[in-house]
Amino acid sequence: DAGITQSPRHKVTETGTPVTLRCHQTENHRYMYWYRQDPGHGLRLIHYSYGVKDTDKGEVSDGYSVSRSKTEDFLLTLESATSSQTSVYFCAIRGLAGVGEQYFGPGTRLTVT
Amino acid sequence: DQQVKQNSPSLSVQEGRISILNCDYTNSMFDYFLWYKKYPAEGPTFLISISSIKDKNEDGRFTVFLNKSAKHLSLHIVPSQPGDSAVYFCAASARGGTSYGKLTFGQGTILTVHP
Repeated sequence: DAGITQSPRHKVTETGTPVTLRCHQTENHRYMYWYRQDPGHGLRLIHYSYGVKDTDKGEVSDGYSVSRSKTEDFLLTLESATSSQTSVYFCAIRGLAGVGEQYFGPGTRLTVT
Repeated sequence: DQQVKQNSPSLSVQEGRISILNCDYTNSMFDYFLWYKKYPAEGPTFLISISSIKDKNEDGRFTVFLNKSAKHLSLHIVPSQPGDSAVYFCAASARGGTSYGKLTFGQGTILTVHP
């Protein structure tokens, strides 16, 4: 158990509204990641962080922003939700051994109507 | 451009037999490969990994094989059990420089093990 929680676990929102998803970790990991999972696409990287206030874009970053003001929290914001952002969102941390494994949270299922 | 591909969307296997899941990659900078298992309504869980300096890594019933010249890796599960039924994702990483540990995932293969 890598001590990762995500909130909320489920959310339904309307098109055009902002949404923020939270990832919280308890083990002081430096690297954190946000992915989305969609059928036929596997998991795709949205944004990642390599330290407090240090973030960068991933493969599918359009329409998303992130913030990391403290080590334990990594926030993903959908600035104006669209139906194409209906997905399951996973947060991950990189293991402390640093050899490459990532450990995932339980996910947030987001539906944009 | 899909850099990591799992061309079989699904695989059905009888309990006790071998399950072989395949994965191909195109980026020659990838030097670390991983397999994840995912049950419904849960996050992916790390299963096994292999570095590009090896061609095989075993962990209990799970073995990963890497063929660098073919840019192909496979996961063998022997013997398969009904509890192995899940979605399996392969992933790849280029560990050097400013990669920051980013992973590129395949599309996933649904494994069903029948009793």
